[in-house]
Parts: sequence; C-alpha cells; structure tokens
Amino acid sequence: GDSVTQMEGPVTLSEEAFLTINCTYTATGYPSLFWYVQYPGEGLQLLLKATKADDKGSNKGFEATYRKETTSFHLEKGSVQVSDSAVYFCALRLIQGAQKLVFGQGTRLTINP
Amino acid sequence: SQTIHQWPATLVQPVGSPLSLECTVEGTSNPNLYWYRQAAGRGLQLLFYSVGIGQISSEVPQNLSASRPQDRQFILSSKKLLLSDSGFYLCAWGGRGWTSGRASYEQYFGPGTRLTVT
Repeated sequence: GDSVTQMEGPVTLSEEAFLTINCTYTATGYPSLFWYVQYPGEGLQLLLKATKADDKGSNKGFEATYRKETTSFHLEKGSVQVSDSAVYFCALRLIQGAQKLVFGQGTRLTINP
Repeated sequence: SQTIHQWPATLVQPVGSPLSLECTVEGTSNPNLYWYRQAAGRGLQLLFYSVGIGQISSEVPQNLSASRPQDRQFILSSKKLLLSDSGFYLCAWGGRGWTSGRASYEQYFGPGTRLTVT
C-alpha cells in the first residue's frame, strides 16, 4: 500500500547549519507530496507542496524537490534558526478515496543557539 | 478566508467517562473533514473522515465514534474512555488548491485538543 518513510529523529543542529530531512514514498499512481510542520503544542501547518515530477516547493527558506525517479521529497534549508525547532511531517495524497493523506512518522528537529 | 476551530484545547477525563470533542470550519462549504490522533512521540493516525453530512468512514476500529450533524461540524465521541485514548486529537478539513497548473488537494489542521485519560 501507499506509505511514507522519513529519516529517524530526533535531529539536533546548531544555528545556521544546513538541514536535510529525508523522505521517500511508495505509491500507486502519481501522488501529490507535502511537508507539514508542527510547533510545540500546536496543530500542523502546511509548509510546502509539489504536485508533479521535478517541481520544487518552497516556503520560509525551506525547499523540497519532487523526485519521481528516486521516489523522494527531501526537505532542505540552507541556514536553520532556533525558531525552526519543530516536528516535520512528510505526506502524500492518495489518488483514490476521500483525498486522504498518508503521513510519515515525523522528525523532531531541535536547533541550538 | 477559511478557519478551523477545535474545543476544548485541553481535557483531563477519568477512565470510563464519556467524551465529546468538537470541530467547526468557517469560510468553506461541503469540505471533507478528518479526525486524527497523535500519540506522544508518534505520527498521525487517521481515525475518521467524512465527505458529507451524516457520512462517516472509520479507519481504525476502536471505542471512538464520529458524527457530522452539520456541513461544517465534526464531532468525535466516546461512551467510555480508555487510558489508551490519551493523545493529541487533530481535526482537519480538505480543500482544493493549484500548484504549477495542476490541482492540489490540501488539508488544513485545527489547533488540536490534548486529551489525558487518568
């Protein structure tokens, strides 16, 4: 079945470091891909998205490119800030059904000053 | 613009007590609605979804139930809570957007309810 696999966390970095959070997926058909972010005690916010191969989603300095050949959607940021500390979820949208999202397990990111 | 509300924000309930969590959406009509649970340190588990009034689909068999009495209202209930029901409950609504000329369906989440069963 459709699934999303994220790199294991937690991830701890120093401020201004380069960030990569890996995400790979298994899906039938041609899914849309998403990254959501969850700040402590809050709901999820849509961070960025991509709907077709080679599309690059970007927002708040974060980027992810839809790689169909490697079935990946890795999240990157060139210089992280303390305020980026959160849990990040990769997700795909199922083609069939009630537009359900399939989420990865989440990666907790902590940025130290 | 669309907004989604959940209440209460936090709840502490004893084992065996009933539960009712409410979610309402403003600024859109006939949305798909979803209930997720996030256990401590874990990912999101889809519990229920609804494509219209009175239409509920269950993803995981358990002692929870959901109802959609109005177009933009989604309720999560239990007759008797278990300790394992503790967690962070998130409601979401689904809407259509466009990215790179292609339709993109997105889900937007409420602020969540933290439930502790004691």
